[in-house]
Amino acid sequence: SQQGEEDPQALSIQEGENATMNCSYKTSINNLQWYRQNSGRGLVHLILIRSNEREKHSGRLRVTLDTSKKSSSLLITASRAADTASYFCATVVTGNQFYFGTGTSLTVIP
Amino acid sequence: SAVISQKPSRDICQRGTSLTIQCQVDSQVTMMFWYRQQPGQSLTLIATANQGSEATYESGFVIDKFPISRPNLTFSTLTVSNMSPEDSSIYLCSVGWAGWGYGYTFGSGTRLTVV
Repeated sequence: SQQGEEDPQALSIQEGENATMNCSYKTSINNLQWYRQNSGRGLVHLILIRSNEREKHSGRLRVTLDTSKKSSSLLITASRAADTASYFCATVVTGNQFYFGTGTSLTVIP
Repeated sequence: SAVISQKPSRDICQRGTSLTIQCQVDSQVTMMFWYRQQPGQSLTLIATANQGSEATYESGFVIDKFPISRPNLTFSTLTVSNMSPEDSSIYLCSVGWAGWGYGYTFGSGTRLTVV
């Protein structure tokens, strides 16, 4: 079954606000990754969090991981119009088993 | 991280024909991956292409339908064979950098429409 289901499917916020996206998965993982996909462009890796980590930061990004609940969240603080994109979580189980979620479409309104 | 050149960027093909998608990387990489993104769906891993060995296919994907070549550490092709409209999708190649657990770089994708 597919790993990584995200919610909300779509999110629209004003510039400067924070955006939170959630990802749930079904089986044990080795690590979880978040990607951004701008329209017409390839996927861009944002951040990776390992199964033994609970929180990571990268610039305006904050990722949490709760392995007991099999869920992760991505927080983008002080959003900008350039953050408008689709965001995907991807779970890595073992080796090359790498599964993407359904994605959250984020629109940041200037 | 690596830079990937993928082509064609898009194509419209007739039912029953085949299309080969090329993926060129600017550095040598051990692992290359092929994904499919169907309209409105998330990315799905088709197969892993390692140089010097046969590709490893995920459940639901078979070599006869999606033959893959990996002649060297910088290049791979994916062929979509005997196409049907259900194959209309975006196909992306990807490479792993600094080991499989450290992230991936993706090509810009090939948008395939089968008519």
